[in-house]
Amino acid sequence: QQQVKQSPQSLIVQKGGISIINCAYENTAFDYFPWYQQFPGKGPALLIAIRPDVSEKKEGRFTISFNKSAKQFSLHIMDSQPGDSATYFCAASKGGFQKLVFGTGTRLLVSP
Amino acid sequence: GAGVSQSPSNKVTEKGKDVELRCDPISGHTALYWYRQSLGQGLEFLIYFQGNSAPDKSGLPSDRFSAERTGGSVSTLTIQRTQQEDSAVYLCASSLRSTSGQNTGELFFGEGSRLTVL
Repeated sequence: QQQVKQSPQSLIVQKGGISIINCAYENTAFDYFPWYQQFPGKGPALLIAIRPDVSEKKEGRFTISFNKSAKQFSLHIMDSQPGDSATYFCAASKGGFQKLVFGTGTRLLVSP
Repeated sequence: GAGVSQSPSNKVTEKGKDVELRCDPISGHTALYWYRQSLGQGLEFLIYFQGNSAPDKSGLPSDRFSAERTGGSVSTLTIQRTQQEDSAVYLCASSLRSTSGQNTGELFFGEGSRLTVL
């Protein structure tokens, strides 16, 4: 049961370019949408998160765009750097109990 | 250390053996989660603890899987009679519950225990 669908599975972007990763969810009760970044051999770490009362949130080079009516949200990485090469997971949860449902991940490679 | 600690980092076992995976959460974090990450897959939720109780164990794939948490701190995930399909990275995460009773959202993950069943 895939409640959060993520695409693309992999992505190659040139240094300085924009990386875009998309996610779609099914459960309208979800009210918390984080993105996690994972480097090889490490656990995922929170990158940025959004709640549905706003349509966009920006932190440095990372921006989440949220479309409640379409039940979609996306991560934009501006001025992508080789150090951004990692696997990115979108996730969603509902209520105060943070059982996160994760997407299948996007492996990003930023070429120098 | 200040982060979530998991042990062992790597475990190779034979089919049919039991294994125990340990998680030591960040001090003061009352919520603890186990996830499983298979090669090329996302993170699959297994179980959630609030304190020592497990209000949601819906993700445990079979009755061969069990978990406990003692003293509101360390948790152990046990897999009995391991099968090859159990091979994965088992990730533990903890989070801080706010005074309002709601979890604050951020999960802090350990580096995982990589289990290989031969």
